[in-house]
Amino acid sequence: NAGVTQTPKFQVLKTGQSMTLQCAQDMNHEYMSWYRQDPGMGLRLIHYSVGAGITDQGEVPNGYNVSRSTTEDFPLRLLSAAPSQTSVYFCASSRSWADTQYFGPGTRLTVL
Amino acid sequence: KNEVEQSPQNLTAQEGEFITINCSYSVGISALHWLQQHPGGGIVSLFMLSSGKKKHGRLIATINIQEKHSSLHITASHPRDSAVYICAVRNFGNEKLTFGTGTRLTIIP
Repeated sequence: NAGVTQTPKFQVLKTGQSMTLQCAQDMNHEYMSWYRQDPGMGLRLIHYSVGAGITDQGEVPNGYNVSRSTTEDFPLRLLSAAPSQTSVYFCASSRSWADTQYFGPGTRLTVL
Repeated sequence: KNEVEQSPQNLTAQEGEFITINCSYSVGISALHWLQQHPGGGIVSLFMLSSGKKKHGRLIATINIQEKHSSLHITASHPRDSAVYICAVRNFGNEKLTFGTGTRLTIIP
């Protein structure tokens, strides 16, 4: 099993550009989530999904969209990037929301 | 919202020393997680516990529900244990985790 995969590993955007961070898992996990990690702060939840077709907002959802059309994939979209979105983004999955989470390797995003 | 505090923020120790990292939280929880983030950035789940104690190799995690406190211990520490250790809690009936800011551990050979 590949586990949780994320692409790209690194990305540089200009303010106002859009992009999609990809996340996929091959463990048939129902629960998937996106976090951002900023210096001096704990991981913060952006959006999460408890199953295909169901998504909800986390702690810091503004500026991000998600969809969950399949169990495997959970892309995160930045519609109009801002410098405040410069961060490291982690995708995670688990069998259910109460179970151990498995994290992807992360995407380092810089917005100029 | 649960407030999660970890201490110390940074810890440097000699190889072989016994390590303790602490986590306290403000509101009752259904589960507490300990995670390890390697220097390369990858995050691995070490433990999930809701009571008592768990052990895996040289790592031991304990939780005291009444005192709202958990500890992560590392016995016979080794330079490969150098990482950031993160505590996260899940409130009752809540699908979301609240994370601490992490403890950066450096083990010197």
